Amino acid sequence: KNQVEQSPQSLIILEGKNCTLQCNYTVSPFSNLRWYKQDTGRGPVSLTIMTFSENTKSNGRYTATLDADTKQSSLHITASQLSDSASYICVVRTPSGTYKYIFGTGTRLKVLA
Amino acid sequence: EAQVTQNPRYLITVTGKKLTVTCSQNMNHEYMSWYRQDPGLGLRQIYYSMNVEVTDKGDVPEGYKVSRKEKRNFPLILESPSPNQTSLYFCASSLMAGGNTGELFFGEGSRLTVL
Repeated sequence: KNQVEQSPQSLIILEGKNCTLQCNYTVSPFSNLRWYKQDTGRGPVSLTIMTFSENTKSNGRYTATLDADTKQSSLHITASQLSDSASYICVVRTPSGTYKYIFGTGTRLKVLA
Repeated sequence: EAQVTQNPRYLITVTGKKLTVTCSQNMNHEYMSWYRQDPGLGLRQIYYSMNVEVTDKGDVPEGYKVSRKEKRNFPLILESPSPNQTSLYFCASSLMAGGNTGELFFGEGSRLTVL
């Protein structure tokens, strides 16, 4: 069964610290993987996208990695800020033939001053 | 401005009173989808559509209906709402064609309470 699992479920860090969120997937076939940021009560917004051939992608203080062999992705946040407090959702998309989005349940990050 | 617009943003209703949540996108996207989000369960897909007049069930379609008569609109219909449909609902759309990576663009959400 196609699944996306994220860990940890929640995380609390101090402002300025780094953190890494994990995403493991069993989706096959695979087209791409995106990390979305969702502020409380708002719609998710895309942060990064990884395709099969990409290992690393950065967007400011956010760096995503992908290991297609082990089917693992991570999102690393550097020098966290209070505004990073949000849920981070890993979403895997299947190729055009099926065109499915498989969602993880998210990691809730809280950054404290 | 490219956007997905949902209405209403907030709604309190009573059991059995039919309601419709509208969703409109201005990006000429083929794919549109509805999700509900409940604490601890993440986003769960209700229905999706890959083009006009083409709709299909997601993971939790019971109690919901949709229609796709125009490319830009994808309303969610609750014929007889029940308290277990109290949730935060999101509409999303994406461009499927032309090698696009299919980024989902989400609306701002509609918080529904059924008493």
